[in-house]
Amino acid sequence: GENVEQHPSTLSVQEGDSAVIKCTYSDSASNYFPWYKQELGKRPQLIIDIRSNVGEKKDQRIAVTLNKTAKHFSLHITETQPEDSAVYFCAAFIHGTALIFGKGTTLSVSS
Amino acid sequence: EADIYQTPRYLVIGTGKKITLECSQTMGHDKMYWYQQDPGMELHLIHYSYGVNSTEKGDLSSESTVSRIRTEHFPLTLESARPSHTSQYLCASSAKDNSPLHFGNGTRLTVT
Repeated sequence: GENVEQHPSTLSVQEGDSAVIKCTYSDSASNYFPWYKQELGKRPQLIIDIRSNVGEKKDQRIAVTLNKTAKHFSLHITETQPEDSAVYFCAAFIHGTALIFGKGTTLSVSS
Repeated sequence: EADIYQTPRYLVIGTGKKITLECSQTMGHDKMYWYQQDPGMELHLIHYSYGVNSTEKGDLSSESTVSRIRTEHFPLTLESARPSHTSQYLCASSAKDNSPLHFGNGTRLTVT
């Protein structure tokens, strides 16, 4: 079936560094790509999303880029802070079904 | 405040029991979903619904059923719980396709 692959599974950075998480998807009809942040014991929360008619979107320290030809999209976090530590999930809307998630990236930001 | 509510928050039951996990949303959303997630791990789609009287199976739908009699309500039933069902179950809703999902706080199920 259609799937979403996410890398890396874990990422450790120093406070102030940038973090990049990458995802690829298989369904060429996908046109909606959200990113979720999940803190320990809490529900996933949407942090940013992008649609296929846009190549890049930015919200303060967070940005997402999309390459539809290559079927991959990335999350970029600049000037990381300890409170950015969490599990991040990418997702793609698979045509005819629902949102399918990547396996997650555990981001650790040390001060 | 519009939100999505799940009950119970925690549940411990014995093998073979039938259980229903409740999910209600006051957001007026048409689409609803159930995902299974072990802590910090991948979210697996179990079931979803486009609206009233619509139910569809995800990749992990075996051994569970859902119903959608009312727009705001989407319960998940396990007919015979097994230890392999021990996990967290997250309910979510969205206004339509290609729009953000809003998650409930989850039900953490333990089957002994």
